[in-house]
Amino acid sequence: EVQLVESGGGLVQPGGSLRLSCAASGFTFSSYSMNWVRQAPGKGLEWVSHIGGSGGTRYNTDSVKGRFTVSRDNAKNSLYLQMNSLGAEDTAVYYCARSTSPLYYTYMDVWGKGTTVTVSS
Amino acid sequence: ETVMTQSPGTLSVSPGERATLSCRASQSVGTSLAWYQQKPGQAPRLLMYDASTRATGIPARFSGSGSGTEFTLTISSLQPEDFALYYCQQYYNWPSGPFGGGTKVEIK
Repeated sequence: EVQLVESGGGLVQPGGSLRLSCAASGFTFSSYSMNWVRQAPGKGLEWVSHIGGSGGTRYNTDSVKGRFTVSRDNAKNSLYLQMNSLGAEDTAVYYCARSTSPLYYTYMDVWGKGTTVTVSS
Repeated sequence: ETVMTQSPGTLSVSPGERATLSCRASQSVGTSLAWYQQKPGQAPRLLMYDASTRATGIPARFSGSGSGTEFTLTISSLQPEDFALYYCQQYYNWPSGPFGGGTKVEIK
């Protein structure tokens, strides 16, 4: 069964850091580019980061540039999101989602259930 | 950046009726447009990609159309499980690939 399972969310103080993980199973992880998508409470979906299948290309949305870093370990079938300098505006459910191409940002056909990040003092 | 605008924000429909959801792009996205369904407390689920191709397991009552800047998702006869939030997403002008703001389909 194709599956994505996120972990690492929690409560963090403003200015703090958090590292999210996404464990993939049931498919050849390195053959797909991956994304992080977040959803603030009561709000819509916001694409955050994309990384190519080899990890050679990475893109972030403007609001997280310089603060968030997406990475992957294909040997461990895992995707990561290192989040630094967190602010209240980063409070959201964070989903990892699979794109259908090894290189390009496409539609997302597999989603995890999400992990919740709350930034509050 | 390509801005995606969905309308209406909320659509009130009776079970068995037809629902038509719209998504407009601020610039052409060709047919690189996907639709997702999201129910409360759940992750989004892919419904449609390439504007008009149903994803695996999606019932035939869901159909998508459009190209360029105007797109439509139609649910031909709403079933109780179809009441949810629906989002469109463009993947033509990337790496920014924003979603639309969503349309809530509620029971009338």
